[in-house]
Amino acid sequence: AQSVAQPEDQVKVAEGNPLTVKCTYSVSGNPYLFWYVQYPNRGLQFLLKYITGDNLVKGSYGFEAEFNKSQTSFHLKKPSALVSDSALYFCAVRDGGNKLVFGAGTILRVKS
Amino acid sequence: DGGITQSPKYLFRKEGQNVTLSCEQNLNHDAMYWYRQDPGQGLRLIYYSQIVNDFQKGDIAEGYSVSREKKESFPLTVTSAQKNPTAFYLCASSSRTGGSAEAFFGQGTRLTVV
Repeated sequence: AQSVAQPEDQVKVAEGNPLTVKCTYSVSGNPYLFWYVQYPNRGLQFLLKYITGDNLVKGSYGFEAEFNKSQTSFHLKKPSALVSDSALYFCAVRDGGNKLVFGAGTILRVKS
Repeated sequence: DGGITQSPKYLFRKEGQNVTLSCEQNLNHDAMYWYRQDPGQGLRLIYYSQIVNDFQKGDIAEGYSVSREKKESFPLTVTSAQKNPTAFYLCASSSRTGGSAEAFFGQGTRLTVV
């Protein structure tokens, strides 16, 4: 069965600094990996996904993620954080089927 | 305006009652999902459906039931057997293109037991 780990409950970064939110996964076969963002009392918004090909994936709002097969990781990154990036971030994985499994989430706090 | 609509936004349940959460999508998606969100536990999968008249249990299906009689609709019933139903419930859908399609989420229903 597939699973996702987000090892950090919270990440704090100063505005303008680069940010990284970590994600590792476990899945049989080729993984399909996703990042979502959630603002308080709202649903999840899709940021980006990895299917195949280039290991660096670019997504919405200046976010990108790096896929590393040997480390089974899919870390979310942004070169310059904004205060408005403060939110709850989820990593998710799906194998070839339709079951979509999420990690526990990481709170990102960007301070001005 | 395409998307996923969950209703109601807030729902209060008395002990021993069954309640049904609505989820409707007009995206023509085949797959639909129900997740439960609790603080610090992320999203846990309750049920998912890949096609009309078919659904599978997720990781925490006990105390919940679903139906998928129409492609657009995937209602979730929280039964009295669910001992701790207070949570934020999220519905999602995705197109059936193998595993690569992203899921789209509704705005959620917050259920509280009173």
